[in-house]
Order: sequence, then structure tokens, then C-alpha cells
Amino acid sequence: NAGVMQNPRHLVRRRGQEARLRCSPMKGHSHVYWYRQLPEEGLKFMVYLQKENIIDESGMPKERFSAEFPKEGPSILRIQQVVRGDSAAYFCASSAGTGGGYTFGSGTRLTVV
Amino acid sequence: DQQVKQNSPSLSVQEGRISILNCDYTNSMFDYFLWYKKYPAEGPTFLISISSIKDKNEDGRFTVFLNKSAKHLSLHIVPSQPGDSAVYFCAASPNTNAGKSTFGDGTTLTVKP
Repeated sequence: NAGVMQNPRHLVRRRGQEARLRCSPMKGHSHVYWYRQLPEEGLKFMVYLQKENIIDESGMPKERFSAEFPKEGPSILRIQQVVRGDSAAYFCASSAGTGGGYTFGSGTRLTVV
Repeated sequence: DQQVKQNSPSLSVQEGRISILNCDYTNSMFDYFLWYKKYPAEGPTFLISISSIKDKNEDGRFTVFLNKSAKHLSLHIVPSQPGDSAVYFCAASPNTNAGKSTFGDGTTLTVKP
């Protein structure tokens, strides 16, 4: 595992469809963070998860967005009934703990048409 | 209310000279600051960080300065190289859990050969 793996790299969805974004953290990392970057803006924190637990979802929109990090498998960011305003780059980062550095994946670019 | 601001959207510097990227913050609770570098179509890469108990941290060509009273930090790159051309993000968090950071909007650095 060379790093944080996100897939797909690009995702196109029609308005009203569901988008599922996957993030596999670095080996040995049990903390996962999701960020969203709108065009010409910085990254905005969405949610922080550990295995099977949502620790902090203060940055998540109240509706249509959900995240999980199951015991087995990648973390999933799910967006239901997508709208054009959901078009953005979604980045996942992982860490082994809460101190020190963490590593970002290359992102998923969601386009809603 | 943008809590982390990078007021210069872009900066152009000649190779070999110093690049100085600036960042201001408003939240007094921030006590851990990071700089990230981002190439197009990639995730941010951690460069250097500084805790509020310090006013300077150096790593090779990169030095970060923190002025707590002014709520200002800066990243110095000396000497600048064409490979440093990228978007640089300043980020801040209220503790060392830098996974939940507040990002600025970024400064695009161009280093001309």
C-alpha cells in the first residue's frame, strides 16, 4: 500500500443520482478524514472517522451526506440525490493517531450534470 | 467568516530567490499550523508544521515563522526552484489533531527558471 487510495478518480453523476466515494487508508492507519474542495477554494473539513465510529461530523451537510468506515474495507462517503452544487473534489486523509502528520489521497472529482 | 486567510492568490518568483507565502488567522484557539503543497490533480502534501509554543521551524529549504500576537504565519522557501511551483495551503487546528484543520484558499506559486 503506497499511500491513501481513493476511487474513482473521476465520477460523473446526473442530478438525483447517488455518488459513492471510497477511501482506503494507508496500512496501519485507523483514522480517516474527508475534505471537500470547491473550485478556487481551500479544503473544508467534513468528517472524521475511526473504525466503525464517526468521531466528528461537524463539517457534514445535514442532509444527503453520510460517511462510514467499517471494520473491514474502505471508508465510504455517500451523497444521495446529488445536485450541481455537490460538484467538487473530495479528498480523504488518514493517520495512525491524532498527533503528527497525516497523508492525503489524490481525491475524487465529482461532476454533477 | 473565513478563519484562515491567504490574501495573495498568486506569487511569481525567480529561480534561486526567496519565496515568502503569508497566512493570517482569526481564531485564537488555533495552536497548530501546517503548510501543504498541492499539484494539479493530486492531493495536498504535508510540508512543514509549527506549534504555537514556537516562533520558527526549519526543514531544509522551508522555514515557517509564527507571530502569535499578529496572528500571522509565513512560509519561506530558499532558494526557490521551478519544482516548487504549486498551490500552497496554510492550515490551522486547535490541537495537534491536524486531521481536522481549517484551510486557507491557497496561494499559487510560480518559480520562473
